[in-house]
Amino acid sequence: QSALTQPASVSGSPGQSITISCTGTSSDVGSYKLVSWYQHHPGKAPKLMIYEGSKRPSGVSNRFSGSKSGNTASLTISGLQAEDEADYYCCSYAGSSTFVVFGGGTKLTVL
Amino acid sequence: QVQLVQSGAEVKKPGSSVKVSCKASRGTFTSYTISWVRQAPGQGLQWMGRIIPVFGTANYAQNFQDRVTITADESTSTAYMELSSLRSEDTAVYYCAREGEFCTNAVCYTDWFDPWGQGTLVTVSS
Repeated sequence: QSALTQPASVSGSPGQSITISCTGTSSDVGSYKLVSWYQHHPGKAPKLMIYEGSKRPSGVSNRFSGSKSGNTASLTISGLQAEDEADYYCCSYAGSSTFVVFGGGTKLTVL
Repeated sequence: QVQLVQSGAEVKKPGSSVKVSCKASRGTFTSYTISWVRQAPGQGLQWMGRIIPVFGTANYAQNFQDRVTITADESTSTAYMELSSLRSEDTAVYYCAREGEFCTNAVCYTDWFDPWGQGTLVTVSS
């Protein structure tokens, strides 16, 4: 069982927007702005998409955005494209004992 | 930009150990923090631990504290993850990743992981 809770799957049609939630606790997501999101195509290395809750690394499309409210972080992908189909994982700093926790992952299907 | 290249796939017997390497090319290895994350079949990502090569200090996730050892060799810009007492549940893809930190008031916190190595499949089977 993962420390952060994500929906197992979400789907959307090309051009639509989807949002993936990531629910933690006051010990991780709720206490730190240090939430990151990763895109993972099977057989490839995970790719950083969002860090510090809402910042995009250089080279990541502005169709990807992140936010946080209380113990829940969210990743929104707008203008869905076929290549967005992948697994998405959230991650949060969780204090100096636990350090880091990941979500269980969400499979995004582009219909 | 730094690249992380991991060692190849391994097949191990239950009870044995495995040591996976992660070599950094480009960039200044000693300034990095390297984390190890694994993904078991059908499962999510799981953080195992990290090392700060310049200090040689390692931190481990509680789930792996007794079985994992993370080390680094600055002379070859290589980090290592050794997992002992292997069992079938340790069958997974193991990734190394550079860890970015957010520092404030002289305290640093894990912020992100980028880039990641290509992954190393470790299969534990009798």
